[in-house]
Amino acid sequence: DGGITQSPKYLFRKEGQNVTLSCEQNLNHDAMYWYRQDPGQGLRLIYYSQIVNDFQKGDIAEGYSVSREKKESFPLTVTSAQKNPTAFYLCASSEGGDGTDTQYFGPGTRLTVL
Amino acid sequence: GESVGLHLPTLSVQEGDNSIINCAYSNSASDYFIWYKQESGKGPQFIIDIRSNMDKRQGQRVTVLLNKTVKHLSLQIAATQPGDSAVYFCAESFNDYKLSFGAGTTVTVRA
Repeated sequence: DGGITQSPKYLFRKEGQNVTLSCEQNLNHDAMYWYRQDPGQGLRLIYYSQIVNDFQKGDIAEGYSVSREKKESFPLTVTSAQKNPTAFYLCASSEGGDGTDTQYFGPGTRLTVL
Repeated sequence: GESVGLHLPTLSVQEGDNSIINCAYSNSASDYFIWYKQESGKGPQFIIDIRSNMDKRQGQRVTVLLNKTVKHLSLQIAATQPGDSAVYFCAESFNDYKLSFGAGTTVTVRA
């Protein structure tokens, strides 16, 4: 069963704590992406990776960090420097990273910082 | 501001009728457009895409129209069903990795 998985579905953390969101894909896609979605809004790009061991900042990278050590995995860390981390986080992947390949999304992780 | 936006934040449709969801974009260099459907609490689901060298593309019960002259994109859903109730996003890309999303249109299907 191919696809993109994100875990956990819901995550609660205390203010000031770092938290890591998992994203795994078995589609053999080269490119992976992290987006943030706030209520009633569209998606905003946090980080993206076009190939293993390489990644670039998106539009709202401040307070986040990523790694891409394996092709199938692209974890996102929400650090204590992120001022408003409560949001719905979506991971996506595409065959290539040139912007014209369809991006497929995972089910999302809803992070709530208490 | 956002380069991609939808004309109406909400759309109410009678079951069985056709739905038309509109989207305007501002970047004339955009060459790839895509529609997603997002149900509550879930990730966006790919519906259909279109490249700038086309003006129409059809899928199963859906049609996307692209008018580059006025920078307008629309999604038509035929014979709308209750399962079509969701938020619909258009997104554009202009020759790089980025997809720019609009805020979305919430479609509600009336029985």
